[in-house]
Amino acid sequence: RKEVEQDPGPFNVPEGATVAFNCTYSNSASQSFFWYRQDCRKEPKLLMSVYSSGNEDGRFTAQLNRASQYISLLIRDSKLSDSATYLCVVKQGGTQAGTALIFGKGTTLSVSS
Amino acid sequence: EAGVTQFPSHSVIEKGQTVTLRCDPISGHDNLYWYRRVMGKEIKFLLHFVKESKQDESGMPNNRFLAERTGGTYSTLKVQPAELEDSGVYFCASSPYVLAGNTIYFGEGSWLTVV
Repeated sequence: RKEVEQDPGPFNVPEGATVAFNCTYSNSASQSFFWYRQDCRKEPKLLMSVYSSGNEDGRFTAQLNRASQYISLLIRDSKLSDSATYLCVVKQGGTQAGTALIFGKGTTLSVSS
Repeated sequence: EAGVTQFPSHSVIEKGQTVTLRCDPISGHDNLYWYRRVMGKEIKFLLHFVKESKQDESGMPNNRFLAERTGGTYSTLKVQPAELEDSGVYFCASSPYVLAGNTIYFGEGSWLTVV
């Protein structure tokens, strides 16, 4: 079983749509959770951290369910510029810098006009 | 401020040859990481330096890979001899001091093709 699993997609949606990505992780010792965004042939960039209480950043909402070991990302009012691959990432350590990031394979989103 | 820079951006080598990838972290960042993504797989951790010391090299696939960070500044990752399955993109990342939290900054990657 993969440590972090995501639906690879692609998700093809029109502008203005709401789209949700899901992710599950296998290690219950995981303590930190993130969504990264990766544009084609570019580096991954942190989109947002994910907290147990859920958190929102503009059109983006992230949720974490520790009991189910499940993470989600909701994008409202999709823009063309949201087209990218979204990577679910977990880390076993907390804020300590040393613990490796564990990546999912990513979910590809394509937003069309 | 300059980000994480990697060189070369692309490299095509023959099986059995040697390739050395270089990473310059963000100035002042003590933590330096190497990750890689091979075709069809997820990005995977290779190793972590704190300054010049290897903190964790549990992700290094085998002894054909050698990473160094002399002087605690830039790092090199050498693959010798390269095999076909080493093809992929090698990302370097850096972050500041140990308790800085969760933001690490990735370079654009070095794309390696072994033929």
